[in-house]
Amino acid sequence: GDSVTQMEGPVTLSEEAFLTINCTYTATGYPSLFWYVQYPGEGLQLLLKATKADDKGSNKGFEATYRKETTSFHLEKGSVQVSDSAVYFCALSDGGFKTIFGAGTRLFVKA
Amino acid sequence: GAGVSQTPSNKVTEKGKYVELRCDPISGHTALYWYRQSLGQGPEFLIYFQGTGAADDSGLPNDRFFAVRPEGSVSTLKIQRTERGDSAVYLCASSQAGGAVDTQYFGPGTRLTVL
Repeated sequence: GDSVTQMEGPVTLSEEAFLTINCTYTATGYPSLFWYVQYPGEGLQLLLKATKADDKGSNKGFEATYRKETTSFHLEKGSVQVSDSAVYFCALSDGGFKTIFGAGTRLFVKA
Repeated sequence: GAGVSQTPSNKVTEKGKYVELRCDPISGHTALYWYRQSLGQGPEFLIYFQGTGAADDSGLPNDRFFAVRPEGSVSTLKIQRTERGDSAVYLCASSQAGGAVDTQYFGPGTRLTVL
């Protein structure tokens, strides 16, 4: 079945460092891909999405490119802030109504 | 405007008891989803409603789990004969129309603890 694998955390960075969180997927069709974020004490929220190969999703300085050839959707940000500390989830939807999530990666950003 | 709300925020029960978890979606959203999130894991799909009907309940783990949405708005997730393994955070989400790329808005979750 479809699945999502993302790098284990926690990831600890200093402020203004470059961030990459790796995500790869397995799917039989052509899924849509998502990154969700859960800030401390808050609910899960959509960060960005891409619906077809080579699409780049971006939001709040984060971006991710849908790479069909490597089945990847890595999350990047050029300069992280303390306020980016959160848990990040990679997810896919296979064209139906079911969204499949990765296990999450916790990010700590130190001042 | 108001987001997705879930009640109670916490529920502690004993093994074998029955529990109901409530979800109030964003007004006007026709699609509603339930997920279960165990500690250290991502949300796991349980069931999807389009209006009043369950369009996909393939994620419900067994027949102890049941969900309803009788008027196409509020939904209740019902768990019979609870087991310790049911302990998790139960998340509800709603979206305007449903479908793969329709943005889902999540509630804060109900933390269920089965003793």
